[in-house]
Parts: sequence; structure tokens; C-alpha cells
Amino acid sequence: DQQVKQNSPSLSVQEGRISILNCDYTNSMFDYFLWYKKYPAEGPTFLISISSIKDKNEDGRFTVFLNKSAKHLSLHIVPSQPGDSAVYFCAASARLLTQGGSEKLVFGKGTKLTVNP
Amino acid sequence: DSGVTQTPKHLITATGQRVTLRCSPRSGDLSVYWYQQSLDQGLQFLIQYYNGEERAKGNILERFSAQQFPDLHSELNLSSLELGDSALYFCASSGNGELFFGEGSRLTVL
Repeated sequence: DQQVKQNSPSLSVQEGRISILNCDYTNSMFDYFLWYKKYPAEGPTFLISISSIKDKNEDGRFTVFLNKSAKHLSLHIVPSQPGDSAVYFCAASARLLTQGGSEKLVFGKGTKLTVNP
Repeated sequence: DSGVTQTPKHLITATGQRVTLRCSPRSGDLSVYWYQQSLDQGLQFLIQYYNGEERAKGNILERFSAQQFPDLHSELNLSSLELGDSALYFCASSGNGELFFGEGSRLTVL
């Protein structure tokens, strides 16, 4: 049972345009959402997060939008750059991860973004 | 560099064999998480340790086991290996509400 779904395995955009990566979740207990970026031969790295008390969080070229009623979030990258080409994972948890907690991140399957020069 | 160290980076072995993957968390982090990424699959949570104790368990097979040692490094033991166990195995440690991942250990079972 996939609790976090990224229905687009791949996305291709032109440099300078907007990239929109989508993510849906089924578990209404999820309250904290993160996006990770992964380059080949590297581990995933944290990109941006949002908690359920917000509907938008922005960090430079990256903005995450959350629609709790639709159980949907999206990552916008504007403008897209060739260096953004990577696999993007959406992840969710019921609570903020803490050192001693038993919370875990549930990941989607990822979307491979290709930004063409 | 996330500060999480995993060894070995690559491992090729045969079916039926046993391997051990090793992870050292970031300095100061007490938690270690293990995830598996198979072909066309997302990151599947296997198990979490905190300060030497098992804290949460996910989709970890009975043939797999893990432990965290007093120096906080962790080992994931995979036994009676099958072809389907071929995957990337990631270790992560947590801090500030996010996970910091190592570069992974790529296991190939032939």
C-alpha cells in the first residue's frame, strides 16, 4: 500500500521554465512533508519541507505547496536549471522527526527531472 | 557531504550468501535509519535504531537483521541472499526534522 505516490516517473522541461513535481498521499495522519533530491551515485539530500499548518513554503527557486484537503503537494522550481536534473523524492511523516522518536519518513517512488539546456 | 558514512560502496555476491553493510551516523546523531531502494521503487524503510535500541521496524525481511553498537555505528546483516535483494541500501541519521543520508551501498546478488 503506497501511502505516498508520485505518479509521474519522469518530467522533462526546458532551462528557464517552471518545473512542477507532484505528490499525493493517502494517510491523513501525515503532518510533515519533505522533498529530497538525489543525483546518481549519491544519497538523497534534503531540499525543502512544509508542515501542515502552512500551505506554502519558499526557499529561493524552490516552493512547495500543500493542499491538505486534497492530500496533495507539489514542488515548483523556477527557473529550472540543468543542474536541477535529478530524481526528486516526496516524503511524509506524522510528526517532526526527533532524535529519540520512532517517527519515520515514508517516501514516494521519485520523479526523474531532466532540464534541457 | 552529509556526514553519514557507509561501507562498502559496492558489493557483489552470490545467492545464498551473507553480507554486512556498515554505517556511521553524523557526529552527535544517536539515531540510525536503514532504507532499501530497489529498481523502480522508492525508498523503503527497513529499521531504525536509537542509541543502541531498536526504535521502529518497517518492511524488513526476517533474513535481514541490524544492530547499533555503543559507538553508535550500525550494521545491517543480510543473509540467505536472493536475486531480489539486489538494491541500494541507504543509511541515514536524523537531525532538525530531516534525515541525512549516506551515499549508499549497492548490493548486487548474482
